[in-house]
Amino acid sequence: ETGVTQTPRHLVMGMTNKKSLKCEQHLGHNAMYWYKQSAKKPLELMFVYNFKEQTENNSVPSRFSPECPNSSHLFLHLHTLQPEDSALYLCASSPGLAGLSVEQFFGPGTRLTVL
Amino acid sequence: SQQGEEDPQALSIQEGENATMNCSYKTSINNLQWYRQNSGRGLVHLILIRSNEREKHSGRLRVTLDTSKKSSSLLITASRAADTASYFCATAEANDYKLSFGAGTTVTVRA
Repeated sequence: ETGVTQTPRHLVMGMTNKKSLKCEQHLGHNAMYWYKQSAKKPLELMFVYNFKEQTENNSVPSRFSPECPNSSHLFLHLHTLQPEDSALYLCASSPGLAGLSVEQFFGPGTRLTVL
Repeated sequence: SQQGEEDPQALSIQEGENATMNCSYKTSINNLQWYRQNSGRGLVHLILIRSNEREKHSGRLRVTLDTSKKSSSLLITASRAADTASYFCATAEANDYKLSFGAGTTVTVRA
């Protein structure tokens, strides 16, 4: 859609499972983000990577573990999740760090359900 | 960090009518951005307005920014069914690179 792809689009997992979300951007951007979107709540920024280096961890529980092997790929490894972690997880990228008058490009999201 | 707060939370209009939604924020900003999200999908960037700008247009969209009131508005003219979506404002604080999103305005355009 917008040059940012996410897989899988839907994921159902038990609390003891381990799974990973994948994000790939084909835009040549240097910054990538993970957001959590829960119903009727503002988007919550989780992690920010700039040139593969993590620049932000917004007090995210350790059961969420990000990985950024290069500027085009971003993963979110999940383990021992709780039902309240069920949400839409959005990946985004930007040429540099957003806020410096640049827009963010979002992927379609992964709808996660934790049973 | 601060958030933009959109008002109203929900809006229902007839096709062809205009839709206006507002965003208020708390501290000084570098820029303010508006995004659209169709149900369960990713966000799409609509317009970015810088703190030294007062108004911007893009097609049927018009955004205003009043930094003295710490508020912005998004106007969609001649609405279409395809405009049905949630609209979010996002603020970028001065000296910070992070965007803070509000909870959004859900717009329903009736045919």
